[in-house]
Amino acid sequence: GQNIDQPTEMTATEGAIVQINCTYQTSGFNGLFWYQQHAGEAPTFLSYNVLDGLEEKGRFSSFLSRSKGYSYLLLKELQMKDSASYLCAVTDPTDKLIFGTGTRLQVFP
Amino acid sequence: EPEVTQTPSHQVTQMGQEVILRCVPISNHLYFYWYRQILGQKVEFLVSFYNNEISEKSEIFDDQFSVERPDGSNFTLKIRSTKLEDSAMYFCASRGDRVLQPQHFGDGTRLSIL
Repeated sequence: GQNIDQPTEMTATEGAIVQINCTYQTSGFNGLFWYQQHAGEAPTFLSYNVLDGLEEKGRFSSFLSRSKGYSYLLLKELQMKDSASYLCAVTDPTDKLIFGTGTRLQVFP
Repeated sequence: EPEVTQTPSHQVTQMGQEVILRCVPISNHLYFYWYRQILGQKVEFLVSFYNNEISEKSEIFDDQFSVERPDGSNFTLKIRSTKLEDSAMYFCASRGDRVLQPQHFGDGTRLSIL
């Protein structure tokens, strides 16, 4: 079966660091992707991991442990505009994206 | 930066009618996808398309759905005889041909079935 779990909601303060966790159990695995989605808008690609380890992209970093079925997205120097849903998604060998329900992040001043 | 474009942005249709949702993928991309997102729920895969044929389809993608690439730029999703439960945001996505490139999404079409 396919199962991707993320916390439903998180809150953080402007300027802080937040870590959004994702665990997955899928019948196949090619890569793990993180997308940002503002309400009513399209998912926007942030980062992806194929191999274990940390990928850094400016204020955003993503980590993957394939043996543990675990990933996290790290957001540094939070800004108000980072308030959005963050979607964890896995691609299987058939290439489709399997999404989690998303984590709604609220950033407060 | 090149982007995926979708039209219309919002479509309101009576139940039982046919709708066609249109997408123009990024020009050098070869892999195309449709996803949908019912309000408040997660993004769900519908269908993938490569080399002028369906690569994979989900259980949602039943006989009322079809996809077509009628020319070199457009990629369409047709829903025949729409149902109330087809109301959702429909996203088109495309990606390049290198292995494990990310899929890039269009802004979506909000489909409302009355």
